[in-house]
Amino acid sequence: NAGVTQTPKFQVLKTGQSMTLQCAQDMNHNSMYWYRQDPGMGLRLIYYSASEGTTDKGEVPNGYNVSRLNKREFSLRLESAAPSQTSVYFCASSELSGGLNEQFFGPGTRLTVL
Amino acid sequence: RKEVEQDPGPFNVPEGATVAFNCTYSNSASQSFFWYRQDCRKEPKLLMSVYSSGNEDGRFTAQLNRASQYISLLIRDSKLSDSATYLCVVTLYGNKLVFGAGTILRVKS
Repeated sequence: NAGVTQTPKFQVLKTGQSMTLQCAQDMNHNSMYWYRQDPGMGLRLIYYSASEGTTDKGEVPNGYNVSRLNKREFSLRLESAAPSQTSVYFCASSELSGGLNEQFFGPGTRLTVL
Repeated sequence: RKEVEQDPGPFNVPEGATVAFNCTYSNSASQSFFWYRQDCRKEPKLLMSVYSSGNEDGRFTAQLNRASQYISLLIRDSKLSDSATYLCVVTLYGNKLVFGAGTILRVKS
């Protein structure tokens, strides 16, 4: 099992460009998440999908859109990139089991917006 | 005020030392508590859950004090491989996790 995979690993954009970050999981989890991690701030939730067909905003959704394509895939789109979106983006998936919500993370995408 | 606060460190300790990290959370309705470990430029991974009764996993002991809204992690007999950032994490409701900014541990030989 690959777990959670993300593409691309690195990306450099110019201000105003758009791009989509891809995420896929092979653990048959219902829930998927997108986080960003900035120095000194910890991981912050951008959007999440509790189950296939549903998406909800997290703490910092502005400037992003998501699509839960199917149970396996959850993509994050930046329509018009800004320098403030320079960050490391992590996708995660989870399944509540016995009250434990262990989230499994992908390796991350390092995005720089110039 | 941040929802989950941690001392950023770094904690520099020699091999074999015992080190403790603390974390406080602001929302008394928080339901579940965890410590995650994040190696440099890698993704976070679950280290252990934290229960009010305290729980131990080898050299690692986690404790929760709901009255004081305080979580701790104790590492005994530190190894070089323990060097990482330790993230304190709480669940407010549903599946949503709230992460602290992390505490850096450096174990030196």
